[in-house]
Amino acid sequence: DSGVTQTPKHLITATGQRVTLRCSPRSGDLSVYWYQQSLDQGLQFLIQYYNGEERAKGNILERFSAQQFPDLHSELNLSSLELGDSALYFCASSPGTGGHNEQFFGPGTRLTVL
Amino acid sequence: SQQGEEDPQALSIQEGENATMNCSYKTSINNLQWYRQNSGRGLVHLILIRSNEREKHSGRLRVTLDTSKKSSSLLITASRAADTASYFCAHHGGSNYKLTFGKGTLLTVNP
Repeated sequence: DSGVTQTPKHLITATGQRVTLRCSPRSGDLSVYWYQQSLDQGLQFLIQYYNGEERAKGNILERFSAQQFPDLHSELNLSSLELGDSALYFCASSPGTGGHNEQFFGPGTRLTVL
Repeated sequence: SQQGEEDPQALSIQEGENATMNCSYKTSINNLQWYRQNSGRGLVHLILIRSNEREKHSGRLRVTLDTSKKSSSLLITASRAADTASYFCAHHGGSNYKLTFGKGTLLTVNP
């Protein structure tokens, strides 16, 4: 158990809908990272927050947004969902701001868009 | 793309044998990390090697790093069926805060 929690574990929804994925980092970790894993694209970095502020952006679509709250939990919002958004979404956390340390991954949320 | 590449894409061995996976990357790095993922589960950090290190050990794991060739290898000795998983290398470099993951090697250890 990494100490990172993600809810829900599974999410099934329809095209055009909006969903929110939630992540609680390990106690004391200030950075939260979001990744998307699909068969064709592999593991893609989406976005990082550090202590409530956006720190780095990756291959995140404009239909997707995220935020980190004062209690350090984070939410990833996916809107106008398309079939191709079906994937595993992982959250990870680390104590510091960058990639100097290991990242601790949550169990993921499996999103299925029908 | 800055994405790294693992080689081979898939590896099948017998229990007790050693497994070697390779990783190449394209940019300068601060460190390179190896992660393991059981099917459909979260990634688990295995080992981190810094750019000024050449070799690192952790239990049955041995990682080497050759920055001149922009490559790394992960050796798992005396493999067990429980080592069956996908293994990913990820690198972090420069002012880029993100980790860039390779596509992974699927290791199958047959009992």
